[in-house]
Amino acid sequence: KQEVTQIPAALSVPEGENLVLNCSFTDSAIYNLQWFRQDPGKGLTSLLLIQSSQREQTSGRLNASLDKSSGRSTLYIAASQPGDSATYLCAVSPSGNTPLVFGKGTRLSVIA
Amino acid sequence: NAGVTQTPKFQVLKTGQSMTLQCAQDMNHEYMSWYRQDPGMGLRLIHYSVGAGITDQGEVPNGYNVSRSTTEDFPLRLLSAAPSQTSVYFCASSLHRDNYEQYFGPGTRLTVT
Repeated sequence: KQEVTQIPAALSVPEGENLVLNCSFTDSAIYNLQWFRQDPGKGLTSLLLIQSSQREQTSGRLNASLDKSSGRSTLYIAASQPGDSATYLCAVSPSGNTPLVFGKGTRLSVIA
Repeated sequence: NAGVTQTPKFQVLKTGQSMTLQCAQDMNHEYMSWYRQDPGMGLRLIHYSVGAGITDQGEVPNGYNVSRSTTEDFPLRLLSAAPSQTSVYFCASSLHRDNYEQYFGPGTRLTVT
């Protein structure tokens, strides 16, 4: 059974720092991996989708990498801002007939 | 496009009452799903549908029913509400189940007393 783990559960950094959020998964047979952002009391917003054949995806200050063989993905946020404060979740789309599997998220606080 | 919409935003039920959470999308997505989100438990899949007329159970289906009579709508029914169903419910959709970006609705916060 596919399991997704995100460490740390919470992270606090000063404004301007570059930071990395980690996501690991137990089964390397995946179609894709998706990073989401969730603001308090809100739904999930998709940030980046990495196909299984890709190594990384970039959007603005965000860069997500994928290493299927080691079962890891990282989300790199450059020059963090207080507006980046949110919970970040990763989810994998397993191969076969099973739906998305989510990690429990990393709660990020960027302090001005 | 309105994307994925959910109603109501908030609901309070008494134990034993029934209700339907509404979910609609206007992106012609085949795949729709319902999740519940609880502190410390993360997102757990309740039911999903790969197309009109087709539904299947997720990780935590007990106490919930779904139907998919149209591509656009995927309502979630609570048959007899229990305090354990107090949660935030999210509906999501994607073009197909595999290999496509998931879009989430804003959620319904349900409290069962």
